[in-house]
Amino acid sequence: DTAVSQTPKYLVTQMGNDKSIKCEQNLGHDTMYWYKQDSKKFLKIMFSYNNKELIINETVPNRFSPKSPDKAHLNLHINSLELGDSAVYFCASSQELAGQTGTQYFGPGTRLTVL
Amino acid sequence: AQSVTQPDIHITVSEGASLELRCNYSYGATPYLFWYVQSPGQGLQLLLKYFSGDTLVQGIKGFEAEFKRSQSSFNLRKPSVHWSDAAEYFCAVGLNYGGATNKLIFGTGTLLAVQP
Repeated sequence: DTAVSQTPKYLVTQMGNDKSIKCEQNLGHDTMYWYKQDSKKFLKIMFSYNNKELIINETVPNRFSPKSPDKAHLNLHINSLELGDSAVYFCASSQELAGQTGTQYFGPGTRLTVL
Repeated sequence: AQSVTQPDIHITVSEGASLELRCNYSYGATPYLFWYVQSPGQGLQLLLKYFSGDTLVQGIKGFEAEFKRSQSSFNLRKPSVHWSDAAEYFCAVGLNYGGATNKLIFGTGTLLAVQP
């Protein structure tokens, strides 16, 4: 069973379109994340959710809107796609305990190409 | 500000040779440190982590890392590299947000090539 899964794996679209990426985890974790990996392979956090509540929002343009229908799912919707949005988007999850830092487990990534 | 530095962008080693990938961090408190590996076209797989205790930690695939507080380092080592170890390696420091979430600050990665 895949622990953290994402769909789709590849996404090719035109500038200006709206697209969504879905993420599901079956680890029973309370916290989920979205990271962006740019063309230079640099990884940066975008959002984190804990029990469906937004905790971290790293100055991401408001064209990006995460949604967490339940604690096992975190989707990413992107409006008005731009060329600079082309990247690999990774979902991750962790189980946090007070005073500790949980280990994040990553999904396989979604490669978004904006033409 | 917290940061992670991986000084080596690209390393090439011969199969069977030993490997050390460098990682330095900047963080005021006791760090939570991680090494992840990303094979071409794949996601990130956790190799090992350091939270506290023994400063030499063992991971999967024969990797180990040593936490040295005095040098702010967490270098990854493997005594004998296999061709399948060719991948991108990322060091990261984890910042805790009071039990609700954490945030990984990643280094820029080291691309490992293995030659026969």
